[in-house]
Amino acid sequence: DQQVKQNSPSLSVQEGRISILNCDYTNSMFDYFLWYKKYPAEGPTFLISISSIKDKNEDGRFTVFLNKSAKHLSLHIVPSQPGDSAVYFCAASAGTSGSRLTFGEGTQLTVNP
Amino acid sequence: NAGVMQNPRHLVRRRGQEARLRCSPMKGHSHVYWYRQLPEEGLKFMVYLQKENIIDESGMPKERFSAEFPKEGPSILRIQQVVRGDSAAYFCASGRDRSSYEQYFGPGTRLTVT
Repeated sequence: DQQVKQNSPSLSVQEGRISILNCDYTNSMFDYFLWYKKYPAEGPTFLISISSIKDKNEDGRFTVFLNKSAKHLSLHIVPSQPGDSAVYFCAASAGTSGSRLTFGEGTQLTVNP
Repeated sequence: NAGVMQNPRHLVRRRGQEARLRCSPMKGHSHVYWYRQLPEEGLKFMVYLQKENIIDESGMPKERFSAEFPKEGPSILRIQQVVRGDSAAYFCASGRDRSSYEQYFGPGTRLTVT
């Protein structure tokens, strides 16, 4: 039962343009969402998060949008840079802080110079 | 380096041997989580620990796997009698306390069972 899904295994964009990565979830108990970036042979790096009481959170070039009614969130990266090329994971937490994260399968982002 | 430390980074074991993976959380963090990533898959939760206490082990296989986080020293994930299907990347993450959602990951241990 895949409770967090990232339906696009890969995404390719031009440098300077916007990258939009999508994530859907099925568990209504999820109340906190996080995005991680992962380079090969390294651990995931925390990027940005959002609580279910908000619909948008922004940090520099990264913005996360949450649509609770659609159970959908997205990560926008503007402008995209070649160094952003990595696998991006969406993750969700349910019920209480400090609890387990449920991850999506990841989306490989490639930013072309 | 105040980040999450994991060792070894790479571990090769023959079938039937034991694997011990170690994790030291970030300074000031008292919560440790273990996740496993199989090839071409996302990370899957295994276990959540505080010092001397297992909080949630619902993701741990019922047999051969155990975890501890002693009062002193790193957290240990132990896999007894490894099989080829245990080959994966094992990641440890740490969290500050129970009020914190964000988890910070170590570089992982890549286990290969031959």
